[in-house]
Amino acid sequence: EAGVAQSPRYKIIEKRQSVAFWCNPISGHATLYWYQQILGQGPKLLIQFQNNGVVDDSQLPKDRFSAERLKGVDSTLKIQPAKLEDSAVYLCASSKDWGQVYDSYEQYFGPGTRLTVT
Amino acid sequence: GQQVMQIPQYQHVQEGEDFTTYCNSSTTLSNIQWYKQRPGGHPVFLIQLVKSGEVKKQKRLTFQFGEAKKNSSLHITATQTTDVGTYFCAGLTSGTYKYIFGTGTRLKVLA
Repeated sequence: EAGVAQSPRYKIIEKRQSVAFWCNPISGHATLYWYQQILGQGPKLLIQFQNNGVVDDSQLPKDRFSAERLKGVDSTLKIQPAKLEDSAVYLCASSKDWGQVYDSYEQYFGPGTRLTVT
Repeated sequence: GQQVMQIPQYQHVQEGEDFTTYCNSSTTLSNIQWYKQRPGGHPVFLIQLVKSGEVKKQKRLTFQFGEAKKNSSLHITATQTTDVGTYFCAGLTSGTYKYIFGTGTRLKVLA
């Protein structure tokens, strides 16, 4: 079974520039997550999709970050304009469709995109 | 807001020694997951605990979920160099679909 794919793996941009990350989840996984992981910290959920719909985006800085998941498969995360504090690894993860709240499934993570903003 | 803290932040052990990391949530959890992240890698799922007081074992790893479903622990018996990495707990707040990751415990094993 192919894993979660992400691209690019590395990106260096200057502040105020824009950047986009792409994620292809495991086939058949309805739930897709974008996390931001700053060096030395745990992953922080930015946005969670269930098929096409957004389940949670409470920690997404909506003035500069946007995400979409067209057709319930691939997803893109965009930052515009970038700030220095956006330097982090952006992780995409996917899991099977959630049943009841306690019937959640393990998350499979992609390799991540390391973003450096100078 | 909800917080999930882990202690210790770092742990250095000699190979063969035991290791324990503790995870504490400020709110009651529906379930908790544990992940391992190797240096330069991405988190990899280890286990999920759902029931109050649940204990699960995977070879040398023992996972516990507290009776109040607000804390959890991971214990590794007789550590090996392959256990090196950062261990994260991720708690699912009751009534939500959002996992909150803990601060992580970074384990180094000295041969």
